[in-house]
Amino acid sequence: DGGITQSPKYLFRKEGQNVTLSCEQNLNHDAMYWYRQDPGQGLRLIYYSQIVNDFQKGDIAEGYSVSREKKESFPLTVTSAQKNPTAFYLCASSIRGQDYEQYFGPGTRLTVT
Amino acid sequence: QKEVEQNSGPLSVPEGAIASLNCTYSDRGSQSFFWYRQYSGKSPELIMSIYSNGDKEDGRFTAQLNKASQYVSLLIRDSQPSDSATYLCAGWGSQGNLIFGKGTKLSVKP
Repeated sequence: DGGITQSPKYLFRKEGQNVTLSCEQNLNHDAMYWYRQDPGQGLRLIYYSQIVNDFQKGDIAEGYSVSREKKESFPLTVTSAQKNPTAFYLCASSIRGQDYEQYFGPGTRLTVT
Repeated sequence: QKEVEQNSGPLSVPEGAIASLNCTYSDRGSQSFFWYRQYSGKSPELIMSIYSNGDKEDGRFTAQLNKASQYVSLLIRDSQPSDSATYLCAGWGSQGNLIFGKGTKLSVKP
């Protein structure tokens, strides 16, 4: 089955620790995206990548980092510099370029205490 | 800042009725729009895409786009309790990012 997987589904960390969220897709999509969703809020773009070994900051990149070494994978690291990291993190992918649909993975719910 | 605006709701309709969800956008350069359905605690699921003015129908769903008025809508006919969810409107901005509204919560009462 083609799709996007994110792991883990739930993640708990102590304040001050870095944590990496996994995102893998087998849709052969060039573009991948990371969003953050807070209760009652829309999706906010953290980082995106249109092609391997290249990525751009979104609207709220501070305190996050990404890599894109393989077409299928786009991991997100939430660093200790992120002031309020508790949120629902969503990975998406699409055909490269504008106007194409984005498809979402199941999400990772991160809780930092 | 380019924006997509939605009424947060909740919008409550009886089972079998038509639910009408609306969205406006500020970026005149936007060409394509999407509706996603998000159940509580789940990720968004794409249900409709629309690229040109007019109506697009898919089963019980009809998306409508009016670029002159910068308005997008989603009609759900014969609403079912299983349609109860938050509906997100999104449009590609001229800056190259997909911009999401905050969503409208729909409740379909049996």
